Amino acid sequence: QSVLTQPPSVSAAPGQKVTISCSGSSSNIGNNHVSWYQQLPGTAPKLLIYDNYKRPSGIPDRFSGSKSGTSATLDITGLQTGDEADYYCGTWDSSLSAEVVFGGGTKLTVL
Amino acid sequence: EVQLVESGGGLVQPGGSLRLSCAASGFTFSNYWMSWVRQAPGKGLEWVANIKQDGSEKFYVDSVLGRFTISRDNAENSLYLQMKSLRADDTAVYYCARAGAGIVGASVVDPWGQGTLVTVSS
Repeated sequence: QSVLTQPPSVSAAPGQKVTISCSGSSSNIGNNHVSWYQQLPGTAPKLLIYDNYKRPSGIPDRFSGSKSGTSATLDITGLQTGDEADYYCGTWDSSLSAEVVFGGGTKLTVL
Repeated sequence: EVQLVESGGGLVQPGGSLRLSCAASGFTFSNYWMSWVRQAPGKGLEWVANIKQDGSEKFYVDSVLGRFTISRDNAENSLYLQMKSLRADDTAVYYCARAGAGIVGASVVDPWGQGTLVTVSS
């Protein structure tokens, strides 16, 4: 059971927009920045978004992040078949077990 | 180009030990916090540990406290994870990664190595 809750799967057609949610609490998302990762099949994860909405160099602006209260959202517009991957949110959790926590992951299918 | 290359994975019996290594290149290793993150087969990501640039601060996930030790050798541009008292639920691909600074940046992990598989089984 992950500390951060993500939907197990989402799907949309090429060219459409999809939203992936990440729900937490005041000990994690509510008081810390959120990062998002993309893991293509058989590869290592890659950082997509950090500090809630910032994109590392080389990440297209089709990927955007936001945070409100104890939830965060990753939006992907202009979906491409190459976006099919698992997506994870992550943040610091400052509860008794101070640690980095990840969501359980969301499998994106581009129909 | 930033590169992180893990090694040292393999098959180990329950209760055994293993030492993972990560060779870093393409950036000033001594300037960055570093992380180990693992992924059990078919499962999600689990953060394992972070270490400060000079090794003076370390953070661990509860499940490995007292069993795993993260360390680094800045002269060798290398990160290590010493694992002992291994259990079946430690079976995973272990990724070495560069981390953001301190607690605020701990979840900003980029880039990642290709991973090394650790299998704990009799």
